[in-house]
Amino acid sequence: AQSVAQPEDQVNVAEGNPLTVKCTYSVSGNPYLFWYVQYPNRGLQFLLKYITGDNLVKGSYGFEAEFNKSQTSFHLKKPSALVSDSALYFCAVRGPWRGNTPLVFGKGTRLSVIA
Amino acid sequence: SQTIHQWPATLVQPVGSPLSLECTVEGTSNPNLYWYRQAAGRGLQLLFYSVGIGQISSEVPQNLSASRPQDRQFILSSKKLLLSDSGFYLCAWTSTGFTEAFFGQGTRLTVV
Repeated sequence: AQSVAQPEDQVNVAEGNPLTVKCTYSVSGNPYLFWYVQYPNRGLQFLLKYITGDNLVKGSYGFEAEFNKSQTSFHLKKPSALVSDSALYFCAVRGPWRGNTPLVFGKGTRLSVIA
Repeated sequence: SQTIHQWPATLVQPVGSPLSLECTVEGTSNPNLYWYRQAAGRGLQLLFYSVGIGQISSEVPQNLSASRPQDRQFILSSKKLLLSDSGFYLCAWTSTGFTEAFFGQGTRLTVV
């Protein structure tokens, strides 16, 4: 079965510093990986995805993620954090063997950017 | 463009009362539809998903049920709510294939 692990419940970073939110996955075959952000009492917003191709994926709001097959990781990064980036971040994976396979989400990582 | 609507935004219901949450998608046809529950602002638990009218897959047996009476309508129901049904319920859709999911704004359900 496919699964996602986000090892950090909370990540604190100073404004202007680079940020990394970690994600590792487990899936049979090639994974389809996603990052979402959630602001309080709101639905999830899609940030970026990796399906195939370049291991470095660029997404919305200056975020990017690096797919590493050997380490089964898909860490979310941003070169310079903003206070407005403070939110709950979810990594998700979808297995390739069925087109209708639902996304499986990690438990989420709360990012706090301190001014 | 495609949009997803979910209502109501908040709901307070007594224990033992029925529940009906509705989700509709516009601007696409034959979407895959999903209901997730988020407890205590953390991880998402997949409750139900549907790949077509009348086709419902249940991921977790519980006090809830889902129906898809029309192509772009997905309903989450309960005959008798429990305190443990409280949470943030999210509807989502994807197109067929390996695409991202798009989420509604969620319903905050409090069972009292």
